[in-house]
Amino acid sequence: DADVTQTPRNRITKTGKRIMLECSQTKGHDRMYWYRQDPGLGLRLIYYSFDVKDINKGEISDGYSVSRQAQAKFSLSLESAIPNQTALYFCATSSPIGDRNASTDTQYFGPGTRLTVL
Amino acid sequence: RKEVEQDPGPFNVPEGATVAFNCTYSNSASQSFFWYRQDCRKEPKLLMSVYSSGNEDGRFTAQLNRASQYISLLIRDSKLSDSATYLCVVKILTGGGNKLTFGTGTQLKVEL
Repeated sequence: DADVTQTPRNRITKTGKRIMLECSQTKGHDRMYWYRQDPGLGLRLIYYSFDVKDINKGEISDGYSVSRQAQAKFSLSLESAIPNQTALYFCATSSPIGDRNASTDTQYFGPGTRLTVL
Repeated sequence: RKEVEQDPGPFNVPEGATVAFNCTYSNSASQSFFWYRQDCRKEPKLLMSVYSSGNEDGRFTAQLNRASQYISLLIRDSKLSDSATYLCVVKILTGGGNKLTFGTGTQLKVEL
């Protein structure tokens, strides 16, 4: 079984709809992330969470919200989807080796959710 | 200027060839460096970390030049299975913890 799972894997929706993307992990990691990937722009960080009570905005958080329901679950919501939110969305997890300022922090990605907003 | 810049390619090489990718980063406070591999329509996966002294993992060699702020990845004896997009990733320590910045990737196609 995959360590990081995302649901749904594909979603087509209409402008103005509310969408929730879900991420679950069995790696026992405390850190979780949401990214979007667009052609020519690479992966961009939307939100991240270092533990259940810690939520932080990334570089492109406008139009998105998140919820960290448990250590293993991190959901991304689009309150009112718009076409330029069409992208491939990845959830990732990590656990620092050592303390928060450790120099290694490998991120493990889920399989991605392909979202199309019409 | 992008924080992490890579030549998008594609690099089309014959099987058995040696190929090198470069990546430049703009933030001199960058602390750690990585290469991730991403297959078409799949998630990125860590290929290797990049250490100051340079490091090798089988056919893959990574180098870091802090003075010039660039990172390289060398692949020797290319295999068909090496075809993928290679992402240069830089970690910067921020007030809220470590932040990874991804390059847009360099596409490699290894051909018979």
